[in-house]
Amino acid sequence: QVQLVESGGGVVQPGRSLRLSCVASGFTFSSYAMNWVRQAPGKGLEWVALISHDGNDKYYADSVKGRFTISRDDSKNTLYLQMNSLTAEDTAVYYCAKDLMVRGYYTFDHWGQGTLVTVSS
Amino acid sequence: DIQMTQSPSSLSASVGDRVTITCRASQSISSYLNWYQHKSGKAPKLLIYAASSLQTGVPSRFGGSGSGTDFTLTISSLQPEDFATYYCQQTYSAPPVTFGQGTRLEIK
Repeated sequence: QVQLVESGGGVVQPGRSLRLSCVASGFTFSSYAMNWVRQAPGKGLEWVALISHDGNDKYYADSVKGRFTISRDDSKNTLYLQMNSLTAEDTAVYYCAKDLMVRGYYTFDHWGQGTLVTVSS
Repeated sequence: DIQMTQSPSSLSASVGDRVTITCRASQSISSYLNWYQHKSGKAPKLLIYAASSLQTGVPSRFGGSGSGTDFTLTISSLQPEDFATYYCQQTYSAPPVTFGQGTRLEIK
């Protein structure tokens, strides 16, 4: 069965960096686009970034563009999110999500349990 | 960006009830509409995609309908495990994809 396991969250000071990882299993990782989605405390879901199956296309929410970078290593079945210049507004649970790739992108058929990022001094 | 508005924001219901949650888009999105269920501390779960297609493994008591700007998620007979927060999401105009603010379904 599909499994997505995120790691790398923690407490970080404003302006610092953090890298999240998501290890995938149970499907052919290299065949699917992948996403990061976050949920700030008490808020709803917010899509963050997508990477195509071959890594050639990357898309970002305006709120993270220029600060976050999504990448993948198919040899390790791992998705990454490099987060730089973090602010308190980036505090959230970050989920990786597999793309169903039906009618384009952005339908998330499997999600991880999430990793909490807290930006605080 | 396309704005998605769900109603109600919260809802109390009993086991066995029929429940309807609505989602309205700020412009037409054809049938590019998904529904997710999210329980606190758990991974969100895809219920319905393309407005009315039931995701594999999702019980048939869940149903979706609508097109254009108005959409509905219906649970035909509430079960104890259905109490959660539900989100709609548009994928018509992306990026960015946008979610509704959520509907919290609570036990009466």
